[in-house]
Amino acid sequence: DTVLTQSPALAVSPGERVTISCRASESVSTGMHWYQQKPGQQPKLLIYGASNLESGVPARFSGSGSGTDFTLTIDPVEADDTATYFCQQSWNDPYTFGAGTKLELK
Amino acid sequence: EIQLQESGPGLVKPSQSLSLTCSVTGYTITSGYDWSWIRKFPGNKMEWMGYISYSGSTNYNPSLKSRISITRDTSKNQFFLQLNSVTTEDTATYYCARLIPLTTEGIVSWDYWYFDFWGPGTMVTVSS
Repeated sequence: DTVLTQSPALAVSPGERVTISCRASESVSTGMHWYQQKPGQQPKLLIYGASNLESGVPARFSGSGSGTDFTLTIDPVEADDTATYFCQQSWNDPYTFGAGTKLELK
Repeated sequence: EIQLQESGPGLVKPSQSLSLTCSVTGYTITSGYDWSWIRKFPGNKMEWMGYISYSGSTNYNPSLKSRISITRDTSKNQFFLQLNSVTTEDTATYYCARLIPLTTEGIVSWDYWYFDFWGPGTMVTVSS
């Protein structure tokens, strides 16, 4: 299975720019997607196809990458962005998820 | 608006079967796309379990293939998860979600699938 590696946690101040990384153990082309999950809620789609912003998601969120290295950027970060962010790949079977990056605000 | 809602027992005994229902409103599951089950373990690890397509075909994660079955009731617009021979390691929050292919300017990229609508999840504990 394709393993997706994310850093476990980040802490930033409101107004700053944050990048969350996801590295795949093998190429996933641009079949990488990002989700935000807040405690007690279901995951919410943010970015699909590595760089496409889901409808209704603020333009502060953006995604980039291809192959094995991907990035989710939030600029500027707001207090409401406190959450865990997951990457998910759909290029290789079975679909797999990263372990999530917990974003905390200082 | 499309909504999904999971339901089922919150407690299952080891060696028994886990059965969950996903009720979908706002979209007919036979109209298109795939309908998935995903679970999140304590500690955050997430696992895609499988899906049933709009036509009724299924695809399962090989790690579960011998224990899992996903079926549907089109008259009720519901689909179901059955997981057999559960152990404590199956304790997780179970989500149902719609799985769709990336579409750009009307062109479908059949290699890129993602989950656009999720249910709120239901926690299942396996314990005697």
